[in-house]
Amino acid sequence: GNSVTQMEGPVTLSEEAFLTINCTYTATGYPSLFWYVQYPGEGLQLLLKATKADDKGSNKGFEATYRKETTSFHLEKGSVQVSDSAVYFCALSDGRFQGAQKLVFGQGTRLTINP
Amino acid sequence: ETGVTQTPRHLVMGMTNKKSLKCEQHLGHNAMYWYKQSAKKPLELMFVYNFKEQTENNSVPSRFSPECPNSSHLFLHLHTLQPEDSALYLCASSQDFYGYTFGSGTRLTVV
Repeated sequence: GNSVTQMEGPVTLSEEAFLTINCTYTATGYPSLFWYVQYPGEGLQLLLKATKADDKGSNKGFEATYRKETTSFHLEKGSVQVSDSAVYFCALSDGRFQGAQKLVFGQGTRLTINP
Repeated sequence: ETGVTQTPRHLVMGMTNKKSLKCEQHLGHNAMYWYKQSAKKPLELMFVYNFKEQTENNSVPSRFSPECPNSSHLFLHLHTLQPEDSALYLCASSQDFYGYTFGSGTRLTVV
């Protein structure tokens, strides 16, 4: 079945460092890909998405490019801030499921940014 | 304001209790979902509703009973839970392929 694999965490960086969180997927067809972020004590928030190959999603300085040839959707940010500390989830849509979309999530990567 | 509101935010219940979690969305979405988030485990899809009809029950034990009276409201009725059911329960809604909108979750502790 469809699956998502994220790099193991936790990841700890200093402020203004470059961030990459790796995400690869296994899927049939052409899924949409997503990154969600979860701040402490909160639910998940959509960070960015891409719906077809070579699309680049971007938001709040974060970027990810849908790479079909490598089945990857790595999250990057050029200069992280303390406020970026959170858990990041990569996800893919499992195709339309009778009108609802079923998302498959990776295990999450905890990111801590030190001042 | 996320558009998806879950109540209560925290719940402590005994194994013999009966309680309910509530989720409400004001986004006009057609689909609603329950997910379970446990420590060190991936998010687990529990139930899917589309236009208030259940379209998936992901092998969830019968001690969890969902109810969707209309497209805006979703409940999760709980009874005779086990300590391993302690987790963050997340509700989400969606429309087409735009991704989910999540609520803030209910932190459930079973004692």
